[in-house]
Amino acid sequence: DAGVIQSPRHEVTEMGQEVTLRCKPISGHNSLFWYRQTMMRGLELLIYFNNNVPIDDSGMPEDRFSAKMPNASFSTLKIQPSEPRDSAVYFCASTRDLLSPLHFGNGTRLTVT
Amino acid sequence: SQKIEQNSEALNIQEGKTATLTCNYTNYSPAYLQWYRQDPGRGPVFLLLIRENEKEKRKERLKVTFDTTLKQSLFHITASQPADSATYLCAPPLGGSYIPTFGRGTSLIVHP
Repeated sequence: DAGVIQSPRHEVTEMGQEVTLRCKPISGHNSLFWYRQTMMRGLELLIYFNNNVPIDDSGMPEDRFSAKMPNASFSTLKIQPSEPRDSAVYFCASTRDLLSPLHFGNGTRLTVT
Repeated sequence: SQKIEQNSEALNIQEGKTATLTCNYTNYSPAYLQWYRQDPGRGPVFLLLIRENEKEKRKERLKVTFDTTLKQSLFHITASQPADSATYLCAPPLGGSYIPTFGRGTSLIVHP
């Protein structure tokens, strides 16, 4: 089991550019979560999917953020246009069901200059 | 509003001592709480889950308690080692009407 795989590990981009973060959940896991972590706010849930369907996106900060899960093995988080305040570490996590623990990827560190 | 809070100050202890970390919740009655460990540059890793009807749960040197009267969970590491140094996060249940935010966690530093 390779675990949750995120790419890229690091992303540096200029303000105004589009950023796409990618996640491959653990095979057989039905729920997928996107989190953002900063020193000030900790680990915040942005959106989660159950069986590829977005269940709650109330944590998505603005319309500049969007997430998709076209199939059970792939999800993307897109920021367009990016801003310096979006700089953070973005984590993807998956779980078999909502009664089971989360398995996190190692995150994407995003820096927007 | 519903909150789950941990002490944001770092906890410094000597090797061999017991570390105790606190997780408090308000305006909320979680069916269970989870504890995760996070090392720098890595994602959180699940350690223990304790349900509201369980008073205590153990795993090797780790012990978690759940006090629904105090609305508090305590996380203990006995015979602590420098390798236990990390940030420890308390997390509410997934899904449902409450969308979990882990919060900032508590940094534990074990000195040799």
